[in-house]
Amino acid sequence: GENVEQHPSTLSVQEGDSAVIKCTYSDSASNYFPWYKQELGKRPQLIIDIRSNVGEKKDQRIAVTLNKTAKHFSLHITETQPEDSAVYFCAASPTFSGTYKYIFGTGTRLKVLA
Amino acid sequence: DVKVTQSSRYLVKRTGEKVFLECVQDMDHENMFWYRQDPGLGLRLIYFSYDVKMKEKGDIPEGYSVSREKKERFSLILESASTNQTSMYLCASSSPGGPNQPQHFGDGTRLSIL
Repeated sequence: GENVEQHPSTLSVQEGDSAVIKCTYSDSASNYFPWYKQELGKRPQLIIDIRSNVGEKKDQRIAVTLNKTAKHFSLHITETQPEDSAVYFCAASPTFSGTYKYIFGTGTRLKVLA
Repeated sequence: DVKVTQSSRYLVKRTGEKVFLECVQDMDHENMFWYRQDPGLGLRLIYFSYDVKMKEKGDIPEGYSVSREKKERFSLILESASTNQTSMYLCASSSPGGPNQPQHFGDGTRLSIL
């Protein structure tokens, strides 16, 4: 069935360094790829998303790249700060009756060390 | 700003009880979703609804049912609670306006079944 694999499961970086999280999806019909950040005890919040007709998107220190041929997409965070510490989830959206059901990855716990 | 409200942050119930988790959104969204979140497993879809009185099974519907009598409210029902249903439950909603509509999450209900 539909599947999204996310790596690594945990990631520790020094403050100021970059962090990269990678996801691979199985359903070639997927056309929308959001990334969520979940801080401890809080709701997942959308931080960036990308559609299948775009190869890269940036928003300040965050960027997402998409390789449709290889069916993988990545989150890049530059100049990491302690407040970037959280769990990050990728998702892929294979269109189904217009409901845009997501398949989530298993999450990456990012720790930014001061 | 989209607001998705879950009725309880913490809930403790006993095995065999019928449990109701309530979710209300204030953005007139057509799509609503129930997920459970477990460490190492990410977010797994239980049920979703794309219209009033409409529902579709997600990936792990066993032991659950849902109700959507009004557009703004989506209820998750544990017919006979079991200890393996102890988890964090997240509700989300989205608009069907296009393939890049993000899902907006509530704060979650941490349910313990004793």
